[in-house]
Amino acid sequence: AQSVTQLGSHVSVSEGALVLLRCNYSSSVPPYLFWYVQYPNQGLQLLLKYTSAATLVKGINGFEAEFKKSETSFHLTKPSAHMSDAAEYFCAVSDNTDKLIFGTGTRLQVFP
Amino acid sequence: KAGVTQTPRYLIKTRGQQVTLSCSPISGHRSVSWYQQTPGQGLQFLFEYFSETQRNKGNFPGRFSGRQFSNSRSEMNVSTLELGDSALYLCASSPYPGSSTDTQYFGPGTRLTVL
Repeated sequence: AQSVTQLGSHVSVSEGALVLLRCNYSSSVPPYLFWYVQYPNQGLQLLLKYTSAATLVKGINGFEAEFKKSETSFHLTKPSAHMSDAAEYFCAVSDNTDKLIFGTGTRLQVFP
Repeated sequence: KAGVTQTPRYLIKTRGQQVTLSCSPISGHRSVSWYQQTPGQGLQFLFEYFSETQRNKGNFPGRFSGRQFSNSRSEMNVSTLELGDSALYLCASSPYPGSSTDTQYFGPGTRLTVL
């Protein structure tokens, strides 16, 4: 069965600091991996997705993630945090169906 | 192009009642998926519809059901509401099922409160 584990339910960074949100996956088949962001009282917005085309995936708002098969990881990073990045972030995996298996989410706080 | 729309945005019901939520996908999208989001269980897949057929179903009791119409609009129904059904219900659409190379677009959700 596929699953994702997000380490750290809360992450706090200062504005301008590096953002690192961790995601490890478990999949018996080549996975498709996604990062979504959710702002308060809103739905989910796709940040980026890995579909085996390239291991380093660049997304919107300056975020990127690197697929590391040897570590079964797909961590999300951003070189410099902005106040507007404060939100909840979800890692998800699918097996090429529309069924997404989500992690438990990481709430990112950005301090001035 | 308009995004995924969900109606109503907020709903308050009492235990034992039933509720119907509606989702209109992005124009041209034919696959619709539903998710339940709660603080305790997180985001969980409910079901997926394509061409008016349920293609995939999550691990939810039979009180949760859905359907899709010929125009791709979808509804989900929850009968005999329980307190634990209080959640944000999210709908997502994509052009075709298994669209891993396409993006699933999520609506803003319907916040259901069961009293």
